[in-house]
Amino acid sequence: NAGVTQTPKFRILKIGQSMTLQCAQDMNHNYMYWYRQDPGMGLKLIYYSVGAGITDKGEVPNGYNVSRSTTEDFPLRLELAAPSQTSVYFCASSYSTGANSPLHFGNGTRLTVT
Amino acid sequence: EDQVTQSPEALRLQEGESSSLNCSYTVSGLRGLFWYRQDPGKGPEFLFTLYSAGEEKEKERLKATLTKKESFLHITAPKPEDSATYLCAAQTGANNLFFGTGTRLTVIP
Repeated sequence: NAGVTQTPKFRILKIGQSMTLQCAQDMNHNYMYWYRQDPGMGLKLIYYSVGAGITDKGEVPNGYNVSRSTTEDFPLRLELAAPSQTSVYFCASSYSTGANSPLHFGNGTRLTVT
Repeated sequence: EDQVTQSPEALRLQEGESSSLNCSYTVSGLRGLFWYRQDPGKGPEFLFTLYSAGEEKEKERLKATLTKKESFLHITAPKPEDSATYLCAAQTGANNLFFGTGTRLTVIP
């Protein structure tokens, strides 16, 4: 099993450009999440999905969009990149939302917006 | 306001020198307290879940404990391969997971 796979690993964008961060999981998990990790800050939830076709906002959703057309894939879209979106982005999945179901993380996408 | 605070920010230990990492939490209705390990350039990797005060869990040189206000990650006789950032997170609801900022542990041979 590959677990949670994120692509690309690194990306540099110019202000105003758009891009999609890809995330795929092969564990048949219904729940998927996007987090961002900034220096000196805890992981912050951007968006999450409880199953194909269902998504909802997290703590810091502004400037991002998501879709969930299949159980496996949960892409994150940045429409107009801004320097404030420079961060490391992690996708995660879980079997359920209970405390007995920890998150499985991908290895992240490091994004720089200049 | 729900909050998780980890200390210290960074810790340097000699190989074999035992110590503890602290995770203080102020949340409403704790469902679970998680510990994760994060290596440079990687995503967090799950270590433990603790559910109630008094609970303890062990894995190799690591032992996690929980009280009503904080959790400790005890590292006994650490080795260089234990060097990583350790994150804790408190869950209060289905999608309410509050992460601390982590403790960066360096174990010197």
